[in-house]
Amino acid sequence: EVRMVESGGGLVQPGGSLRLSCEASGFTFSDYYLDWVRQAPGKGLEWVGRVKDKATGYITEYAASVKGRATISRDDSKNSLFLQMNNLKAEDTAVYYCARARLLAGRTNFDYWGQGTLVSVSS
Amino acid sequence: DIQLTQSPSFLSASVGDRVTITCRASQGINTYLNWYQQNPGKAPKLLIYAASTLQSGVPSRFSGSGSGTDFTLTISSLRPEDFATYYCQHVDSFPITFGQGTRLEIK
Repeated sequence: EVRMVESGGGLVQPGGSLRLSCEASGFTFSDYYLDWVRQAPGKGLEWVGRVKDKATGYITEYAASVKGRATISRDDSKNSLFLQMNNLKAEDTAVYYCARARLLAGRTNFDYWGQGTLVSVSS
Repeated sequence: DIQLTQSPSFLSASVGDRVTITCRASQGINTYLNWYQQNPGKAPKLLIYAASTLQSGVPSRFSGSGSGTDFTLTISSLRPEDFATYYCQHVDSFPITFGQGTRLEIK
């Protein structure tokens, strides 16, 4: 059974930093691209970024809203995905989901998701 | 960036109804379009990928169509568990974006 479990959320002050983790099991972690998606309270889904696999050199892509403040990384030996967020702003308040990106015919879909972890940015 | 516009944003329907949700892309995206269902407090669930391919385990009352800029998600006969929010997503290029969502409620 595929499982993805996020952790690391919590309350942080504006300007602060946070590192989210996503621990996966039930599949060959190293074979997949992995993404972060967030959802502000009562709002829609917003893609945050992606880390590709070892074959690509672990290329990362980011949304403009977090570029320069976010770093996505992975540790394939521990089946773990990470999101380091710095200089947090109130608008970063959201539930953060990790998702497995399945690659088919050159394009991806997010076939498994974690349950989400809430990040609240407030003084 | 490619913008996705869903319509309607809110839909009220009854069990047994046939409903269609539309997603329009701001530029052509071939068939690089996925659909997700989200229930309150839960993670999104993949329904349809590559515009028209049903994800494994998803009931056949769900179907998707379209290519280029115009896409539809159809539920042929609504069941109580289908009342949720639906999102389209393009994966044509970066940044990946989602539509604003369509909230489907019981009439």
